[in-house]
Amino acid sequence: GQQVMQIPQYQHVQEGEDFTTYCNSSTTLSNIQWYKQRPGGHPVFLIQLVKSGEVKKQKRLTFQFGEAKKNSSLHITATQTTDVGTYFCAPSNTGNQFYFGTGTSLTVIP
Amino acid sequence: KAGVTQTPRYLIKTRGQQVTLSCSPISGHRSVSWYQQTPGQGLQFLFEYFSETQRNKGNFPGRFSGRQFSNSRSEMNVSTLELGDSALYLCASSLTQSPYGYTFGSGTRLTVV
Repeated sequence: GQQVMQIPQYQHVQEGEDFTTYCNSSTTLSNIQWYKQRPGGHPVFLIQLVKSGEVKKQKRLTFQFGEAKKNSSLHITATQTTDVGTYFCAPSNTGNQFYFGTGTSLTVIP
Repeated sequence: KAGVTQTPRYLIKTRGQQVTLSCSPISGHRSVSWYQQTPGQGLQFLFEYFSETQRNKGNFPGRFSGRQFSNSRSEMNVSTLELGDSALYLCASSLTQSPYGYTFGSGTRLTVV
């Protein structure tokens, strides 16, 4: 499978602080998807990025795709307790997502 | 529309036994993928089926197999269970190369004792 590094592995933040997770690939990607998994739940699709340098926003979440299409980030502004969970990237160089990043587990302290 | 349905939700098996897990994808989705999730290894890709054909396979031993039926429902089988096979097994369905991502089922929690 693809070599995908997702950092950090764990992140604890105070409620209201910002949070960022990064996904780095050793190869150029055709697209990247992001998923969120709540504790005890299953992964839920958040977004797909396709274009070089693409930036997409969903309320407090901002997703970026690097200019070289080898890395991506997810930034959450002013975290809330509902943001708790593990965030996975799912990069692809074929158009089909099979391999997921190692995930970043976010804990939000009220 | 109904989501991805996995049965059973929980399963306890003994070492050496075999197990079959079932997945019914979203109506109209012809691609079904299977994943193993463990705390230490994250989400590991098992295999993907499309139109009854296995198109892609992850790095798992031959004890792990699967199939897809003409109605897109899929099963995965694990033979000669080992303690290390204890995990959450997730099924995901999608339209091929979908910009809408995978839709995951709630998973089957397999415990091998």
